[in-house]
Amino acid sequence: NAGVTQTPKFQVLKTGQSMTLQCAQDMNHEYMSWYRQDPGMGLRLIHYSVGAGITDQGEVPNGYNVSRSTTEDFPLRLLSAAPSQTSVYFCASSYGKQFSGNTIYFGEGSWLTVV
Amino acid sequence: AQSVTQLDSQVPVFEEAPVELRCNYSSSVSVYLFWYVQYPNQGLQLLLKYLSGSTLVESINGFEAEFNKSQTSFHLRKPSVHISDTAEYFCAVSPVSGNTGKLIFGQGTTLQVKP
Repeated sequence: NAGVTQTPKFQVLKTGQSMTLQCAQDMNHEYMSWYRQDPGMGLRLIHYSVGAGITDQGEVPNGYNVSRSTTEDFPLRLLSAAPSQTSVYFCASSYGKQFSGNTIYFGEGSWLTVV
Repeated sequence: AQSVTQLDSQVPVFEEAPVELRCNYSSSVSVYLFWYVQYPNQGLQLLLKYLSGSTLVESINGFEAEFNKSQTSFHLRKPSVHISDTAEYFCAVSPVSGNTGKLIFGQGTTLQVKP
């Protein structure tokens, strides 16, 4: 039972480069989201999805794109990396149409450095 | 909108001493409340959650949290900590309505347990 799988775990990018952080879950969860974690700021929501074909912006969406073509996958794209996007990124998923405090499962994180 | 404030960024404590990690929240709607734990270089794990019912909730490893609606708080306590409890702890809330699976996190509290 893999849960939420993120790749890559570590990545170094040059300013201006683009890349995609992959996220996949095998629990048939409808809800998926991306957070970034920065020191002293906790986790902040970047984008989220309530089902295949549906995405919406979170608290800090600028510089990131997402898509949800399947239930399982929710990739996060950095279009033109900036040093301010140096962070730890977490993908998360949760179950069910009616969110009743169902547990949100997190991936192990992707450490991204932009130089 | 919702916000979460964790009142202490770091809490040093000696092994076997009691500890309290404080969390206050602000919300115009009803919310579910959560505590997540993050061990070094790992993802987040759900520690405990309050959905409804008894205001005192417990985890399997001895932590407990009490929901206080009048004070809008959800403090985390443990009567006797172990070295292995050293980690970062995040308080989070999620709106009851909306079915988005979103979490709003506090800034985190680093618990440092000393021998």
